[in-house]
Amino acid sequence: GAGVSQSPRYKVAKRGQDVALRCDPISGHVSLFWYQQALGQGPEFLTYFQNEAQLDKSGLPSDRFFAERPEGSVSTLKIQRTQQEDSAVYLCASSLTPPAVEQFFGPGTRLTVL
Amino acid sequence: GNSVTQMEGPVTLSEEAFLTINCTYTATGYPSLFWYVQYPGEGLQLLLKATKADDKGSNKGFEATYRKETTSFHLEKGSVQVSDSAVYFCASGSGNTGKLIFGQGTTLQVKP
Repeated sequence: GAGVSQSPRYKVAKRGQDVALRCDPISGHVSLFWYQQALGQGPEFLTYFQNEAQLDKSGLPSDRFFAERPEGSVSTLKIQRTQQEDSAVYLCASSLTPPAVEQFFGPGTRLTVL
Repeated sequence: GNSVTQMEGPVTLSEEAFLTINCTYTATGYPSLFWYVQYPGEGLQLLLKATKADDKGSNKGFEATYRKETTSFHLEKGSVQVSDSAVYFCASGSGNTGKLIFGQGTTLQVKP
């Protein structure tokens, strides 16, 4: 498909488990963003990649959160030792060039931590 | 730091009514401004944008004008339809990357 895809769409984890969320950006897009959207709130920035380089990780809430984009295309957001407050929708967005004037969003992964 | 504030919802209107959703921002410099829409069960979609002061973004009958003097980017539509029912997010682009700072979202419900 031509859009940004994310998998899984839904993930239920027990507290303390590790999870990995995948993002496939639009082919050729240089910029990739991860956002966290809590219920009833606007998305909040987590981290930014330009190709394979992680240039901004100022929004990652703790060292349990880790993201990578090793070949400059697919990206994975990993959360270690999940906690209930990690429950949210995780959104991935890509943009053709930096700075990103228009970002294209994926459908998101809804993470529920029990 | 940069921030975006938009009017709280939910907003309930009858079909063909006039819509305004207020949005103000704080930022260093002059960021690009955006309205995104999230229809039920779907992902965020860009509705319109403006990249400099006095620019007007428009799409699908919606309009918003970048007002530097009032640091605002209010969303308007002259005649809403039931199909416009969705959550609307105002956002500003920040820094060299263009990462987005979002408002909290406003839910619009249009009744026939």
